Amino acid sequence: AQTVTQSQPEMSVQEAETVTLSCTYDTSESDYYLFWYKQPPSRQMILVIRQEAYKQQNATENRFSVNFQKAAKSFSLKISDSQLGDAAMYFCAYRSAYETSGSRLTFGEGTQLTVNP
Amino acid sequence: DAGITQSPRHKVTETGTPVTLRCHQTENHRYMYWYRQDPGHGLRLIHYSYGVKDTDKGEVSDGYSVSRSKTEDFLLTLESATSSQTSVYFCAISPVYQETQYFGPGTRLLVL
Repeated sequence: AQTVTQSQPEMSVQEAETVTLSCTYDTSESDYYLFWYKQPPSRQMILVIRQEAYKQQNATENRFSVNFQKAAKSFSLKISDSQLGDAAMYFCAYRSAYETSGSRLTFGEGTQLTVNP
Repeated sequence: DAGITQSPRHKVTETGTPVTLRCHQTENHRYMYWYRQDPGHGLRLIHYSYGVKDTDKGEVSDGYSVSRSKTEDFLLTLESATSSQTSVYFCAISPVYQETQYFGPGTRLLVL
């Protein structure tokens, strides 16, 4: 079974600065997808960014980018020019590319990000 | 907005009572999921569905059942609620040929 670990329960960053959230995962599969979801106080789960394991290029979405290290099974999220609205719980998630009828997500425990003005 | 609604959004109930949570989607997606969110655990899969009347268990399915009689509705039932089922429940959908899941707004359930 796959596992996802987020070793930083809490992080803080100053507004306009850059912060990196860590995620590691364990799998024996070679093809899979990785995601970062954001959960603000409203509780809504919002997709931030996704990465396909067979793509070597790191995904980027505006101020959000990832550092995907497949051999190290590491998938960190970098937030540049942090804004107050980035304050949220961030979850890393894994999905196998081999499940045809489930495509279930395995989540990490989450990292609570605080943005200080 | 993936057109997902959940009802009720909040519920307080007593131990031993049955509870049904509803997930409704407007875009006829084939795959639907129920997760629960607890501190220190992230989200964990309870049950999922890959079509009308086609469902399967996730990693934390004990004490829960599901039904899907229509494409748009996926019901989660707690047969006899226990305090350990106090949680936030999320429904999700996944469009066919897409790897991403989109989540509903969540239901906060308190079992006293």
